Amino acid sequence: EDQVTQSPEALRLQEGESSSLNCSYTVSGLRGLFWYRQDPGKGPEFLFTLYSAGEEKEKERLKATLTKKESFLHITAPKPEDSATYLCAVQAWRTQGGSEKLVFGKGTKLTVNP
Amino acid sequence: ETGVTQTPRHLVMGMTNKKSLKCEQHLGHNAMYWYKQSAKKPLELMFVYSLEERVENNSVPSRFSPECPNSSHLFLHLHTLQPEDSALYLCASSQVNGMNTEAFFGQGTRLTVV
Repeated sequence: EDQVTQSPEALRLQEGESSSLNCSYTVSGLRGLFWYRQDPGKGPEFLFTLYSAGEEKEKERLKATLTKKESFLHITAPKPEDSATYLCAVQAWRTQGGSEKLVFGKGTKLTVNP
Repeated sequence: ETGVTQTPRHLVMGMTNKKSLKCEQHLGHNAMYWYKQSAKKPLELMFVYSLEERVENNSVPSRFSPECPNSSHLFLHLHTLQPEDSALYLCASSQVNGMNTEAFFGQGTRLTVV
């Protein structure tokens, strides 16, 4: 069974204090690993897709990396507006009759204080 | 128009009521999903429609009934719900068998069952 574990559950940072969020996964055959940002009361907002170990993607202060067992979301010099819950999800290669569903972790709630 | 639109944004219903949630996607995708998000839990996949055919039903109680009349519209019909069904219900869409397989989410319907 595909599983995703995110750590820590919650993280408090001071503005400008860089850190990393972890996503550990087990999946039968990884098609893609996805990072989303979710603000309270809203739907998840897509950030990145990573497809193979060694791949990296960047967007403003965020950088996502991928190994065969885990992914990291690095946040460099965060600002208060980066406060949100960050969700990680994996997608396995579809078996016959199956679907391209995403399996999510519980998320990391990030708070950046000014 | 935003990519994935859900209505209503908020819904309060009694246990004997019948209501429907609506989702519309403007991204040209061919798969649509219903997820349930409860506090302290990962997003739970409820239903998947791929090419307008239901391909996954994750042991969801029969008081939830999905309908996908075409590739752009998805409904979730609700009847005789229980208080534990109160949650954020999220609709998503993606392109099956595409190069980019990420799912895009709507803003969700906050459901309260009283």
